[in-house]
Amino acid sequence: NAGVMQNPRHLVRRRGQEARLRCSPMKGHSHVYWYRQLPEEGLKFMVYLQKENIIDESGMPKERFSAEFPKEGPSILRIQQVVRGDSAAYFCASSPRGPGSDNEQFFGPGTRLTVL
Amino acid sequence: AQSVTQLDSQVPVFEEAPVELRCNYSSSVSVYLFWYVQYPNQGLQLLLKYLSGSTLVKGINGFEAEFNKSQTSFHLRKPSVHISDTAEYFCAVSEGGGGADGLTFGKGTHLIIQP
Repeated sequence: NAGVMQNPRHLVRRRGQEARLRCSPMKGHSHVYWYRQLPEEGLKFMVYLQKENIIDESGMPKERFSAEFPKEGPSILRIQQVVRGDSAAYFCASSPRGPGSDNEQFFGPGTRLTVL
Repeated sequence: AQSVTQLDSQVPVFEEAPVELRCNYSSSVSVYLFWYVQYPNQGLQLLLKYLSGSTLVKGINGFEAEFNKSQTSFHLRKPSVHISDTAEYFCAVSEGGGGADGLTFGKGTHLIIQP
């Protein structure tokens, strides 16, 4: 059973470009979470999605960031018009159950975004 | 709102010595507690979790943690560390009761094992 897959592992963008990060959850997991890890910081929750629905985006910046988890295919975190402050590691996690239960989340290896 | 405090950003320990990594949390409701380990340039791996029941939780790689509700703590311990335990350790909390949140993480503790 493959773990959570993220690609690309490393992404370099110039200011103003778009960054598109992909996450394929573990087989059988329909709950996906995105986190951002800034240097010397812990992970910060960004958004929680189920198939075709955004459940909680309270941690997502109001502008330039969006996420989706379509019926078919991976979850996508999209950052438009990137700025240097977006440079971070972005982690995806998946879970077979939602919050409020045994919400063990399985993490992918992360995508390290560098904005030049 | 919940929060997690890991007081020590770095903990240097000699090989084969015991170690304790501290974690305190605050929450107005019941919580689930987790410890994750992150090796360099990798994702997070679950060490152990507390959901309910016995307050002493045993995890992988010889780690254990004790949930102390009165002190709102969930410290991680290992009786004898190995050089391969060098990594970043994160304490995390999730609220029970159906809250639609992700995990709330502490800032992490870098465990440095000295030969």
